[in-house]
Amino acid sequence: SYDLTQPPSVSVSPGQTASITCSGDRLGNKFASWYQQKPGQSPLLVIFKDSKRPSGIPERFSGSNSGNKATLTITGTQAMDEADYYCQAWDSTTLVFGSGTTVTVL
Amino acid sequence: QVVLQESGPELVKPLETLSLTCTISNYSITNDHYWGWIRQPPGKGLEWIANIHHTGSNFYNPSLKSRVSISIDTSKNQFSLNLSSVTAADTAIYYCGRVDIAARHVDFWGQGTQLTVSS
Repeated sequence: SYDLTQPPSVSVSPGQTASITCSGDRLGNKFASWYQQKPGQSPLLVIFKDSKRPSGIPERFSGSNSGNKATLTITGTQAMDEADYYCQAWDSTTLVFGSGTTVTVL
Repeated sequence: QVVLQESGPELVKPLETLSLTCTISNYSITNDHYWGWIRQPPGKGLEWIANIHHTGSNFYNPSLKSRVSISIDTSKNQFSLNLSSVTAADTAIYYCGRVDIAARHVDFWGQGTQLTVSS
């Protein structure tokens, strides 16, 4: 089975940059997507096709994907960005989610 | 705006079959998207279960494939999930979603429905 590995947690100060990584075998050859999930809410797509933002997602969210790693970057992190973040990719006919990263804004 | 709404029982007994339905509003299920189920056990991450297209094409998570069946009712603009022989490990929030198969992501999600497996 295909696995996507994320760090369990990332801490960031308000206004600083948070980077969340997602590692998988030849992940750069696939499209990576990222979801934000706040407590009690459904996941929200924040990045698709590696680096594209859906309508309504702030510009401070950006993404990249190369080699075996995809990265979600939050520039100028705000308190409202505190949430769990999941990467996701498609392997053959299987949709795979990463293990999830909790972003804490201190 | 596409709206998805899950419905089904909140409590199922062990070894019974779970049946959930997702009703889609403001969008036709016969448009060119897949439709999927994803679940999240308490305090854990997301797990994809299955996808289906209105043509009948479907994909299953290999780890669940032996117990899962996904179906679609275009007349009701709904799709459904059956999960057989449930155990406590199937306790989770179950989400339905719209899957963009070309871009490989889930772009709209339902609010989720909590399922507990207990006798």
